[in-house]
Amino acid sequence: AQTVTQSQPEMSVQEAETVTLSCTYDTSESNYYLFWYKQPPSRQMILVIRQEAYKQQNATENRFSVNFQKAAKSFSLKISDSQLGDTAMYFCAFKTGANSKLTFGKGITLSVRP
Amino acid sequence: GAGVSQSPSNKVTEKGKDVELRCDPISGHTALYWYRQSLGQGLEFLIYFQGNSAPDKSGLPSDRFSAERTGGSVSTLTIQRTQQEDSAVYLCASSLSRDTPGQPQHFGDGTRLSIL
Repeated sequence: AQTVTQSQPEMSVQEAETVTLSCTYDTSESNYYLFWYKQPPSRQMILVIRQEAYKQQNATENRFSVNFQKAAKSFSLKISDSQLGDTAMYFCAFKTGANSKLTFGKGITLSVRP
Repeated sequence: GAGVSQSPSNKVTEKGKDVELRCDPISGHTALYWYRQSLGQGLEFLIYFQGNSAPDKSGLPSDRFSAERTGGSVSTLTIQRTQQEDSAVYLCASSLSRDTPGQPQHFGDGTRLSIL
């Protein structure tokens, strides 16, 4: 069975600074996909970034980038130049190529301080 | 185009009543998923539909839960004889065909279900 672990329940960062959210996962599959989703108080899950396991290059989307360490089964999210609008819950999620469901971690609450 | 639409946004009902939650996926998305998010928890998979294939019901917690998808589009999640532990946010997501497994799932705003 696949599991996703987000060990930090909450974090706080000063506006304009950089923060890293950690995530580890466990699987015996070789073909899989990793995602970070953001959930603001509006409840909607918004895709932040995704990474294909077969790609060695770390994904980047504007201020968001990942540090994907396949051997360590680690998938951390770095947010640069944090903005007040980044305040939300962030979920790490995993899916294999064969199984369509997403397996989520328990999430981390990020607060950006002005 | 429009995103995933869910209704109602909030639902309060008495224990023992049946409830129906609706999801309208993004046009052209053949895959549809239901998840449950309990307070302070991550999302728990419930059920998955892909085109005309038999749904993957492996995440449904009990036989009180059922779902259908008519015409390959709109889906309804039904909870019979609701219990207090059913209180949660129910999220629906859709994505392109399973043939493109790396495609992300796009979520609706969810239905917050409260059982009194």
